[in-house]
Amino acid sequence: GAVVSQHPSRVICKSGTSVKIECRSLDFQATTMFWYRQFPKQSLMLMATSNEGSKATYEQGVEKDKFLINHASLTLSTLTVTSAHPEDSSFYICSAIQQGGETQYFGPGTRLLVL
Amino acid sequence: QKEVEQDPGPLSVPEGAIVSLNCTYSNSAFQYFMWYRQYSRKGPELLMYTYSSGNKEDGRFTAQVDKSSKYISLFIRDSQPSDSATYLCAMSAGGNQFYFGTGTSLTVIP
Repeated sequence: GAVVSQHPSRVICKSGTSVKIECRSLDFQATTMFWYRQFPKQSLMLMATSNEGSKATYEQGVEKDKFLINHASLTLSTLTVTSAHPEDSSFYICSAIQQGGETQYFGPGTRLLVL
Repeated sequence: QKEVEQDPGPLSVPEGAIVSLNCTYSNSAFQYFMWYRQYSRKGPELLMYTYSSGNKEDGRFTAQVDKSSKYISLFIRDSQPSDSATYLCAMSAGGNQFYFGTGTSLTVIP
């Protein structure tokens, strides 16, 4: 149980285009989902916290207009990187908390490469 | 002072060794403690979850929480090359705020 999927697993795009990453909780309802970014050999960097049906809360320094987060249902959150640039290339990971739970379950991650 | 401190390693051990991974923390309100394993280019995988103090065992893995010392440990017995990964500790006082260690890189040598 407690499986989180992400799609796509990897994406290559041209500079200036927008990329959407989906995060789904497959076998549970997630009241809260998190989006992280991770650079090679570095720890997780929290970007934003999203609760179903409300606006995401972004961490300091994360541009909300660049990283659009939508949490439209209890099983799906999306992260859209708008007008992507090479510096946005990174490993993006989502996680979810079950209703009434206290632990995060992570997705497998999405590797984004912007050329 | 960081909320959670974790030695980044790297830690290298021979196969079969007992591995001890540790984190210290400063916030006495933390009561939910987690250990995650992350393989290269993968998302973290929940290994152990402990509420409050005490020990929890699952196969070759044992998690210990000492709230009086603000210290948590993960022990891996009979370590295997497949245990080679980065291990992250995480903790929470409840709600949606989690605090992660920076991760310890472990290599188990055959």
